[in-house]
Amino acid sequence: EAGVTQFPSHSVIEKGQTVTLRCDPISGHDNLYWYRRVMGKEIKFLLHFVKESKQDESGMPNNRFLAERTGGTYSTLKVQPAELEDSGVYFCASSQDYGTIIYFGEGSWLTVV
Amino acid sequence: EDQVTQSPEALRLQEGESSSLNCSYTVSGLRGLFWYRQDPGKGPEFLFTLYSAGEEKEKERLKATLTKKESFLHITAPKPEDSATYLCAVQASDYKLSFGAGTTVTVRA
Repeated sequence: EAGVTQFPSHSVIEKGQTVTLRCDPISGHDNLYWYRRVMGKEIKFLLHFVKESKQDESGMPNNRFLAERTGGTYSTLKVQPAELEDSGVYFCASSQDYGTIIYFGEGSWLTVV
Repeated sequence: EDQVTQSPEALRLQEGESSSLNCSYTVSGLRGLFWYRQDPGKGPEFLFTLYSAGEEKEKERLKATLTKKESFLHITAPKPEDSATYLCAVQASDYKLSFGAGTTVTVRA
């Protein structure tokens, strides 16, 4: 069974540009999460989808970040315009039900220059 | 705000030298405590979930325990392939995970 897959694995963009990260959760997992780790910090929660609905987006840093989950399947996280402080690794995770095992992807490593 | 503190930050062990990692936490309404292993350049790999004080789980050379304030990850007779960063995270009533900074374990042959 395929795990959580993320694309791209690495991205280098200039300040002010736009980047879109994609996540494909494990098949059948209704819960999809975005987390990120910026340099020197712990992994932090960004938001949580249940199927196509945003359950909790309290961790989104500002309105330059937009997350969508089309049809309750894959999700995208867009950063527009990107700033230097957005550099870090963005993890997607999924789980079947509330409170069950949360599986993480390999991460999308974003560098803004 | 939920807080997770892991200690030590780094741990260097000789192969076969058993040790323990600590994760202390404060959380409102603990749903579960998760342990993950992370290798360089990779995502967190699930190891255990503990749900209530007194619970213990084992997997190969790893054993996780939970009390009301902390969790321990015991590594028995470690091998070089156990070298990794071990992350502790608590899941609160809102289902968010709050992570600690991790303990980086290096096991020398």
